[in-house]
Amino acid sequence: EAQVTQNPRYLITVTGKKLTVTCSQNMNHEYMSWYRQDPGLGLRQIYYSMNVEVTDKGDVPEGYKVSRKEKRNFPLILESPSPNQTSLYFCASSPSASPSYEQYFGPGTRLTVT
Amino acid sequence: AQTVTQSQPEMSVQEAETVTLSCTYDTSESNYYLFWYKQPPSRQMILVIRQEAYKQQNATENRFSVNFQKAAKSFSLKISDSQLGDTAMYFCAFMRSNSGYALNFGKGTSLLVTP
Repeated sequence: EAQVTQNPRYLITVTGKKLTVTCSQNMNHEYMSWYRQDPGLGLRQIYYSMNVEVTDKGDVPEGYKVSRKEKRNFPLILESPSPNQTSLYFCASSPSASPSYEQYFGPGTRLTVT
Repeated sequence: AQTVTQSQPEMSVQEAETVTLSCTYDTSESNYYLFWYKQPPSRQMILVIRQEAYKQQNATENRFSVNFQKAAKSFSLKISDSQLGDTAMYFCAFMRSNSGYALNFGKGTSLLVTP
């Protein structure tokens, strides 16, 4: 089944404790992206990747890192999480960086930083 | 910068009725794409319908259709024969063709379909 998976789905952590949220897709997509969703703000892009080893900042990259060493994986790293990073996170992928392609979303990761 | 505005935070409709969700956007680009996404209580983001700006014909997907008014920068979603499973948050989104092909989302409209 073609899908985007994220792990963990739920995470409660403490301020300053490094964490990684994994994202994996099995569709051989070139383009991958991370969004965060906050009440009343919709979804905002954090980072994106056009292909392996090609990443760039989105609208709200502060406090996050990413890497793209393999085509299928695009982990989101919070090196020193803070309470303002409490949010619902979505990974998305599409065949390429073109608006003519649909972006497929993962199931979301609910992160709480205390 | 592109902005997407959804002016209706919440709406309610009875089963089998028709409802229209509003969306306006602001952009200086001449070609772009517009989307409606549905987020049910499961939180999964599901693409409902997509419109390419250079196409004058309004997109339709079964019970879902859009009214795309390019000059007015308006992109409303019409749901016909509403079903209980349509209860969800609906997001209007704009895709820009530069700086990451990010989807620029509105704040969402919460739709409740009642029996």
